Amino acid sequence: KQEVTQIPAALSVPEGENLVLNCSFTDSAIYNLQWFRQDPGKGLTSLLLIQSSQREQTSGRLNASLDKSSGRSTLYIAASQPGDSATYLCAAFNGSGNTGKLIFGQGTTLQVKP
Amino acid sequence: KAGVTQTPRYLIKTRGQQVTLSCSPISGHRSVSWYQQTPGQGLQFLFEYFSETQRNKGNFPGRFSGRQFSNSRSEMNVSTLELGDSALYLCASSLDGGAGQQFFGPGTRLTVL
Repeated sequence: KQEVTQIPAALSVPEGENLVLNCSFTDSAIYNLQWFRQDPGKGLTSLLLIQSSQREQTSGRLNASLDKSSGRSTLYIAASQPGDSATYLCAAFNGSGNTGKLIFGQGTTLQVKP
Repeated sequence: KAGVTQTPRYLIKTRGQQVTLSCSPISGHRSVSWYQQTPGQGLQFLFEYFSETQRNKGNFPGRFSGRQFSNSRSEMNVSTLELGDSALYLCASSLDGGAGQQFFGPGTRLTVL
């Protein structure tokens, strides 16, 4: 049974710092791994999707890596800004055939202080 | 392209009532999945619909049901509401399900009194 864990649960950093959020999963037979951002009371915004055959994906100041053999993914945020404050969720997609589901971690709540 | 829309955004119900939530996927997307988010359990998968058929189901009681229409819009229904059903209900759409990228709606906040 897939389990996804995110550490730390909360993180507070000063503006401008580079930071890394960690995500680990127990079952390496994933189709892909997605990172999402969630603002308080809102839905999820997809940040990056890494297919199982890929090692990393980049979008602007965000870079996500995937190491299936160790069951780990990291989200790197460069030059953090107060607007980056949100909860970041990673989710592993597990399935068979044409269907499956996202298994989410509990999230890391990030606060970037001006 | 319009994103995923969910209606209503907020609902207040009392125990024992039933509720129906609606989700309109991104145009051209045929797969709709539903998730429940609570502070204690986090995000949990409810079910997935594709071409009007339920393709996958999570570990929720039979009080939770859903359906999908020919235009890919989906509804989920919760009968005999319990206090523990209070949650943010999110739907996600993707082109054809599977391992494709999923796009989430803003959610419906359900409060059961």
